[in-house]
Amino acid sequence: EAQVTQNPRYLITVTGKKLTVTCSQNMNHEYMSWYRQDPGLGLRQIYYSMNVEVTDKGDVPEGYKVSRKEKRNFPLILESPSPNQTSLYFCASSLEAAHYEQYFGPGTRLTVT
Amino acid sequence: LAKTTQPISMDSYEGQEVNITCSHNNIATNDYITWYQQFPSQGPRFIIQGYKTKVTNEVASLFIPADRKSSTLSLPRVSLSDTAVYYCLVNDYKLSFGAGTTVTVRA
Repeated sequence: EAQVTQNPRYLITVTGKKLTVTCSQNMNHEYMSWYRQDPGLGLRQIYYSMNVEVTDKGDVPEGYKVSRKEKRNFPLILESPSPNQTSLYFCASSLEAAHYEQYFGPGTRLTVT
Repeated sequence: LAKTTQPISMDSYEGQEVNITCSHNNIATNDYITWYQQFPSQGPRFIIQGYKTKVTNEVASLFIPADRKSSTLSLPRVSLSDTAVYYCLVNDYKLSFGAGTTVTVRA
C-alpha cells in the first residue's frame, strides 16, 4: 500500500531533550516536506526537500533540523525542544516538486512540557 | 511565493452547492492551483488541481478565469461528511497552506 508513515504518533517530552520524528514513504517520491499545525494558523511548512541531499527552509524552520540521506526517509529533528514546539506535525511527499499531489502522513502529536 | 486569500468560514446545508473562492493575485506563469480537504486530526487530502479554465472530477469542480488571479472550488450537493477545512494552494516548491476555509454543512 502506497503510504507515508510517521513515528511516533504521540510523544510527550520535556524541554531540552533531543527528539527525532521519523517519516518514510514507499512511493519513490522525490519531494518531501514537514508541516506543523496549530489552532487558527493552518498548516505551516517547516522544511522541504526537493530530492536526496537537497533541503531548504520553509516558513517556520527555527528550532528544527532535517536530513535527507536517502530518498524514502526524511526525519525531523528537534535538538532542544521547547514548549512552543508543542504542535501536530505532518510529513508529506510528492512525485516531484510541489506541482504534484501531496500525500500526507497520519500526523505526530508532540507535547513539550 | 504567491499568497492566497480565502474566506475563513462558510456554512451550508445538505444538498446545496458550496463555492469557495480563492484569490491569488501574484500567481506565476508556471504555478498550478491545488485544493486540499482536511478533517480534524488527519493530514490534508488532495481534491483537485488545475491550471486554467475548468477542471472536474468525481468530487469537485475547479473554475479558473483567464487572468488566473482567482479560482473557485465548487462542491456539488454537499453532505454532512463534507464538513472540513479546505485549503487553496498555488503550487511552488514552498507550499503555504494558510488557515483555509472551514466549511460546516448542517442537516
